Amino acid sequence: AQSVTQPDIHITVSEGASLELRCNYSYGATPYLFWYVQSPGQGLQLLLKYFSGDTLVQGIKGFEAEFKRSQSSFNLRKPSVHWSDAAEYFCAVGPYSGSARQLTFGSGTQLTVLP
Amino acid sequence: KAGVTQTPRYLIKTRGQQVTLSCSPISGHRSVSWYQQTPGQGLQFLFEYFSETQRNKGNFPGRFSGRQFSNSRSEMNVSTLELGDSALYLCASSLERFRDTRRGELFFGEGSRLTVL
Repeated sequence: AQSVTQPDIHITVSEGASLELRCNYSYGATPYLFWYVQSPGQGLQLLLKYFSGDTLVQGIKGFEAEFKRSQSSFNLRKPSVHWSDAAEYFCAVGPYSGSARQLTFGSGTQLTVLP
Repeated sequence: KAGVTQTPRYLIKTRGQQVTLSCSPISGHRSVSWYQQTPGQGLQFLFEYFSETQRNKGNFPGRFSGRQFSNSRSEMNVSTLELGDSALYLCASSLERFRDTRRGELFFGEGSRLTVL
C-alpha cells in the first residue's frame, strides 16, 4: 500500500531564511507526487506536482521540489521564506494507473514564520 | 472562473442524525472527489465520482455515501452520525482528459466543517 511520511510536524523559520520540508513516500511503481498548502480555514492549494521527466520541478510562490527515486523522497524547498508562507503543507502521492485522483496524503508540516 | 464551491461551510449536528453536504465543481470538471480531514487521521480519501458513477471508494463504513448529478455537482451523505465524524469534509474537482498531464491535479473547495455533538 502506498504511504507518505512527513517527519516534521512543525517547523519554525525566520522570514528571509531558506526552507526545506521533507517528504518520503512508499509506492510500488512510478508515483505521481504533489505538494499542497492549506491556510487556516481554507481548502488545499496545489503548489507543484511531479509526474515524470525532470526531477526538479518548479511551482507557484517560488517553491520547488526535487524527486529522488533512490531516496524515495520529494522534498519541498524555498530559498527565502515570506511571512505569508505560514501555513500547513501536505505531501501527497497518487497512483500511476487507475484513478489518479485518489491521493494518499502525509500528515502535514505546520510552518511558522518569525518576523 | 469560479472555484469549487461547498455548502454549507459550517454545521452542527447531534449523534444519530444524518447530514448532506454539497459540492459544485469547477465548470467543465467532471471528476469530483471527497476527502475527510481530522486532526487524528489527517486527510483520508472517501470516494470519487465521474459521470455520475462512483469510480473509487476509500475505507469508510457504509454510513458514508455520495452521488453525482448530470451537471457534475456532487453530494455526500453521512447517516447515523457519530462523534468521530466531526471533521472538515473537502471536495475536489479534476479535469479529465486522455493523457492529460494534469491528471491527478485536484482543485479543492474550502470545505464543510461538521461538528457532531
